[in-house]
Amino acid sequence: GENVEQHPSTLSVQEGDSAVIKCTYSDSASNYFPWYKQELGKRPQLIIDIRSNVGEKKDQRIAVTLNKTAKHFSLHITETQPEDSAVYFCAASIAGTASKLTFGTGTRLQVTL
Amino acid sequence: ETGVTQTPRHLVMGMTNKKSLKCEQHLGHNAMYWYKQSAKKPLELMFVYSLEERVENNSVPSRFSPECPNSSHLFLHLHTLQPEDSALYLCASSQAVTIYEQYFGPGTRLTVT
Repeated sequence: GENVEQHPSTLSVQEGDSAVIKCTYSDSASNYFPWYKQELGKRPQLIIDIRSNVGEKKDQRIAVTLNKTAKHFSLHITETQPEDSAVYFCAASIAGTASKLTFGTGTRLQVTL
Repeated sequence: ETGVTQTPRHLVMGMTNKKSLKCEQHLGHNAMYWYKQSAKKPLELMFVYSLEERVENNSVPSRFSPECPNSSHLFLHLHTLQPEDSALYLCASSQAVTIYEQYFGPGTRLTVT
């Protein structure tokens, strides 16, 4: 089955700096890569996703890049703000009839003032 | 209520008890999911339902028994649990199993004593 590794497990940045979280996946059949944000005590929420037919996608301060050859994808957050502090999960889905997300272990991002 | 709701939000049960977790989605989706979230581990997919039919069962012990009476409701029946089953149980839904974006509920924090 699919295996997703995520690094780092914790990340501390100063407000205004950029943050980068990286994930690798094992199954070359995976074609959908979402990122979820989970604030303390709250539900995971989708913040951005990318499909394997594109290499980069941006949404304001958030961007995701995908390297299919190397089987890794990254989340980039620019101009970080305190409200960006949360746990971020990457995931990969295996193509098929069932939507089945395999998640990474999460990165706890702390944005300090 | 909008989105995905779960009850109860917190549950403490003994190893010999029987209890049920409830999930309801108000989004008109056709697919529903149960996930287990343990500390420092990835989100683990437990069950997937599409139009009330179970399409995935990820080697989950029989002490967890799902039920999907209609496309808006999903239950997880629990009996003779172990302390290692203590975790946050998240329900999610998507438009269909082939539509990848999943919407999560707030979770039920389960403690098995």
